[in-house]
Amino acid sequence: KQEVTQIPAALSVPEGENLVLNCSFTDSAIYNLQWFRQDPGKGLTSLLLIQSSQREQTSGRLNASLDKSSGRSTLYIAASQPGDSATYLCAVRSSNNNDMRFGAGTRLTVKP
Amino acid sequence: DAGVTQSPTHLIKTRGQHVTLRCSPISGHKSVSWYQQVLGQGPQFIFQYYEKEERGRGNFPDRFSARQFPNYSSELNVNALLLGDSALYLCASSFSRSTGELFFGEGSRLTVL
Repeated sequence: KQEVTQIPAALSVPEGENLVLNCSFTDSAIYNLQWFRQDPGKGLTSLLLIQSSQREQTSGRLNASLDKSSGRSTLYIAASQPGDSATYLCAVRSSNNNDMRFGAGTRLTVKP
Repeated sequence: DAGVTQSPTHLIKTRGQHVTLRCSPISGHKSVSWYQQVLGQGPQFIFQYYEKEERGRGNFPDRFSARQFPNYSSELNVNALLLGDSALYLCASSFSRSTGELFFGEGSRLTVL
């Protein structure tokens, strides 16, 4: 059974800092991994999708990497802004079933 | 282009009642999945439908059921509501069954009193 863990659970940084969010998963047999952002009481916004054959994806100030063999992914946010404050979730789709398994998320606060 | 739309956005029910939640996927998307998210946790998988057939089911009791219509919209039904069913119910759509990017709606906030 796929287990997804996100560390840290919460993170507070000053504006302008670069930061890394971590995601680990137990079963390396995956189709893909997706990073999402969730604002309080809202739905999930897709940030980046990495297919199992890819090593990284970039979108603007965001860069996500995937190391399938070690069961790890990182989300790098450059030059953080207060508007980046949200909960960031990673989700893994395993090859042996079709459900996406989510971590509990990292709650990020960027202080002006 | 319209994203994933869900209705209703908020609803309050009492224990024992039944609820129906609705979801319209992004145009062209054939896969719809349902998730339950309780406060402070990540979403938990309930169902996936692809081409109108159930393709996956999470660890939820039989009180939870769903279906997908010919236009690929979907309904999630929950019978005999319990207090513990209070949660944000999220619908997601994707173009393909396994490898496509998931896009979520804003969710339906269910409160059971």
